[in-house]
Amino acid sequence: KNEVEQSPQNLTAQEGEFITINCSYSVGISALHWLQQHPGGGIVSLFMLSSGKKKHGRLIATINIQEKHSSLHITASHPRDSAVYICAVQGAQKLVFGQGTRLTINP
Amino acid sequence: KAGVTQTPRYLIKTRGQQVTLSCSPISGHRSVSWYQQTPGQGLQFLFEYFSETQRNKGNFPGRFSGRQFSNSRSEMNVSTLELGDSALYLCASSKGTGRQETQYFGPGTRLLVL
Repeated sequence: KNEVEQSPQNLTAQEGEFITINCSYSVGISALHWLQQHPGGGIVSLFMLSSGKKKHGRLIATINIQEKHSSLHITASHPRDSAVYICAVQGAQKLVFGQGTRLTINP
Repeated sequence: KAGVTQTPRYLIKTRGQQVTLSCSPISGHRSVSWYQQTPGQGLQFLFEYFSETQRNKGNFPGRFSGRQFSNSRSEMNVSTLELGDSALYLCASSKGTGRQETQYFGPGTRLLVL
C-alpha cells in the first residue's frame, strides 16, 4: 500500500463545476503540500498545510490530521485549471508523493 | 526574483554513458532537493543538500550522486546510464531545511536514455 493515496486518478468535468480531489496518507507528517503540474512538466506549489484550511482565489485546501486526510477543492472550475494535481507529505526526512490526479475541465 | 533554473532542459544519452544535471536555486535559498519523475513510479525523492552537505538520500543506487557548491548551486550525476533512468529530473529549492518549508520547483531536465 502506498504511503500517499490520491483519488480520483482521473477527473473530467465541465467548466464551472465544483471539483474535489482527495489525499490520504498513512505516515506521520509535519506538513502536506498540494502541487500543480501542467503539461511540459513545470510544478507549482499551491498550498502547504499543517492544520486547518487555506484559501487562495478559487482554490481551497483542507487537512484533518487525526483522519490523515486532505482535500483540494476548486470552485467555478475553468479549462485553465486542467493539470495534474499532486499531494505530497513531508515525512521525517523527505517528501513522499501521491500518484497525482489528472484533471480535465471541458469548456 | 528569478526562479529556479535547470540546465540542460533536454538531454539524450546512450546506455553506459554518464550525465551531469545542474540546478541554480532562487537567490537566498540554501536547500536544494532533487526528484525523479517517471510515468510508472511518479515523483520520487533523490537527495537533499543544504550548505554543501547531503542531508537526506532516497532509495536510489549509488550511480546517482550529487553535490552542492558554496553558492548553493547543485549538480546531480548519474553514471552508467540505464534505459530506466529516462525520466524528468526536477530540482526544488527552499530557504532552509525546516519541516514546513515551501519548495520552489525548477522546470526540470528531461533525460532520454537510448
